[in-house]
Amino acid sequence: EPEVTQTPSHQVTQMGQEVILRCVPISNHLYFYWYRQILGQKVEFLVSFYNNEISEKSEIFDDQFSVERPDGSNFTLKIRSTKLEDSAMYFCASSPGQPTPYGYTFGSGTRLTVV
Amino acid sequence: QKEVEQDPGPLSVPEGAIVSLNCTYSNSAFQYFMWYRQYSRKGPELLMYTYSSGNKEDGRFTAQVDKSSKYISLFIRDSQPSDSATYLCAILTGGGNKLTFGTGTQLKVEL
Repeated sequence: EPEVTQTPSHQVTQMGQEVILRCVPISNHLYFYWYRQILGQKVEFLVSFYNNEISEKSEIFDDQFSVERPDGSNFTLKIRSTKLEDSAMYFCASSPGQPTPYGYTFGSGTRLTVV
Repeated sequence: QKEVEQDPGPLSVPEGAIVSLNCTYSNSAFQYFMWYRQYSRKGPELLMYTYSSGNKEDGRFTAQVDKSSKYISLFIRDSQPSDSATYLCAILTGGGNKLTFGTGTQLKVEL
């Protein structure tokens, strides 16, 4: 079964550093997403990406964050100048089309720890 | 008012019990109603989704939506220890592609 792959599974970074979280979405999917889950809290939408541009973003997704699809397979989330409160699980997801839940698939996540 | 509300539990039941998990939502524009299962330190896994009011059944799982009361439910029959996980309800708007999740209900099925 096709899956969304995220690397690394765990990343530790010092406060103020930049991190890049990487994702390989399912190959024939057109929509890509990032969500985050702070420990003990709900999964929150960050951003959606379609046709090489952001289609929707949440209030959380401020200038500290950026997304990129640098080639035909990878989808990245960059967090500049990390803060302690950025510590969370970050999930990448992809879907074949919209607006349907069909095929909306999440990766296993990257646990980001900011120290 | 929160868009999606869900009792976080934890909920502990004996093996074989019928489990009922519930969510309420506030926005009538929501069109797709989903249930995800999440194991510890893993990503959400889609279990089922419904588009309209009524029931949808898949094996031991039944999803129910009541749009008039903005209430969604997931029933698990003959629960198994392997069903132990956190169950997340989620809503997808018809015009967009953003999922709005509930807080999740932690379920433990005991032998």
